[in-house]
Amino acid sequence: SQKIEQNSEALNIQEGKTATLTCNYTNYSPAYLQWYRQDPGRGPVFLLLIRENEKEKRKERLKVTFDTTLKQSLFHITASQPADSATYLCALSSSNTGKLIFGQGTTLQVKP
Amino acid sequence: DSGVTQTPKHLITATGQRVTLRCSPRSGDLSVYWYQQSLDQGLQFLIQYYNGEERAKGNILERFSAQQFPDLHSELNLSSLELGDSALYFCASSTTPGGKTGELFFGEGSRLTVL
Repeated sequence: SQKIEQNSEALNIQEGKTATLTCNYTNYSPAYLQWYRQDPGRGPVFLLLIRENEKEKRKERLKVTFDTTLKQSLFHITASQPADSATYLCALSSSNTGKLIFGQGTTLQVKP
Repeated sequence: DSGVTQTPKHLITATGQRVTLRCSPRSGDLSVYWYQQSLDQGLQFLIQYYNGEERAKGNILERFSAQQFPDLHSELNLSSLELGDSALYFCASSTTPGGKTGELFFGEGSRLTVL
């Protein structure tokens, strides 16, 4: 069955360091991969979208890579700040369905 | 503010009851999605509509139903409620039609508590 895996353990890092979050998937051929941020009790907020034919995407301090051979995406936050503390969700969509399926999310805690 | 409006924000009801959750998408968005988020299940896709028609279905229970109206607002109906239905229910909208999902804009959710 299709599965999206994100590290369920919280990631704790020091302010100023680079945070790297992983999203692995199986039995899936996604056309798009997206990353969202979710704060407690709030709706997810879109961060970045990367297509299957793109290797890397950047937006300010954020960088996403997409390796369809490894079936993996990495999400990087450089120069992390305490305000970056949140849960980060990856989501996949196939080209032939309207579904956007989410992983469980990884909680990031940036300590000052 | 994402532009997606969900009501009610909070709802407390008893087992066996029926509730309706309402969603108004962003102006101009034709696609509406419903998700359920509980502590142990993460964000689960329920159903998607595009311009009034059902486009994709997830693991939506038979006790749940949804529709999208001509004015593009959507309603999620939950009936014969059970304790396990307690969760945050999110609505999201997007500009893209079903099949090529672009970014989703989420509402703030409706928190359902079944006692």
